[in-house]
Amino acid sequence: ILNVEQSPQSLHVQEGDSTNFTCSFPSSNFYALHWYRWETAKSPEALFVMTLNGDEKKKGRISATLNTKEGYSYLYIKGSQPEDSATYLCAKKARGYSGAGSYQLTFGKGTKLSVIP
Amino acid sequence: DAGVIQSPRHEVTEMGQEVTLRCKPISGHNSLFWYRQTMMRGLELLIYFNNNVPIDDSGMPEDRFSAKMPNASFSTLKIQPSEPRDSAVYFCASSLARGTAGSYNEQFFGPGTRLTVL
Repeated sequence: ILNVEQSPQSLHVQEGDSTNFTCSFPSSNFYALHWYRWETAKSPEALFVMTLNGDEKKKGRISATLNTKEGYSYLYIKGSQPEDSATYLCAKKARGYSGAGSYQLTFGKGTKLSVIP
Repeated sequence: DAGVIQSPRHEVTEMGQEVTLRCKPISGHNSLFWYRQTMMRGLELLIYFNNNVPIDDSGMPEDRFSAKMPNASFSTLKIQPSEPRDSAVYFCASSLARGTAGSYNEQFFGPGTRLTVL
């Protein structure tokens, strides 16, 4: 994998259903993985920053896991609600020249989630 | 804190005109990023600054694009001359990068400027 890729591109689920989607990234030179939530007509907002292989983060009904060795992260939403409708972006932060993180993030194109009431 | 402030929110201009987009980062943040969002390419990083110094401008599409950060609280992205293919939403984001190379810190995005070049 050369770039950060997200799948599926879009997803429609019924209210109350649980769902998940995938972020794949080059496993080399990994420093951190960011997840953002982007509602229509608003700006992206950070959900999680994950750094360690096996990391799990949770915020309410949303959780994420990280596998740095194989280069993927899953985002899970339990019991989807209409207010969860948004585009979910992931972004990889590479290791910088000094061994710490570089400044920039490389974003995937996002998964657009629509929750049908 | 007011968050990242961008102006204008919408800009409609004619091909060939100069366009200047403005950004005020969150006070205390030392890194600033300019992104362009299009349907085809998603969110692309154009340029970023650390402590007001441009670190990487390899994402700037061509010489018609330039960015400055004269002080810690203000940055501009200029397109001269503008072309219809520059139409997009331009986001500014800021973060607090601890240490020498960025740390883990998330970026905080402004509301974006929707640019339409006719």
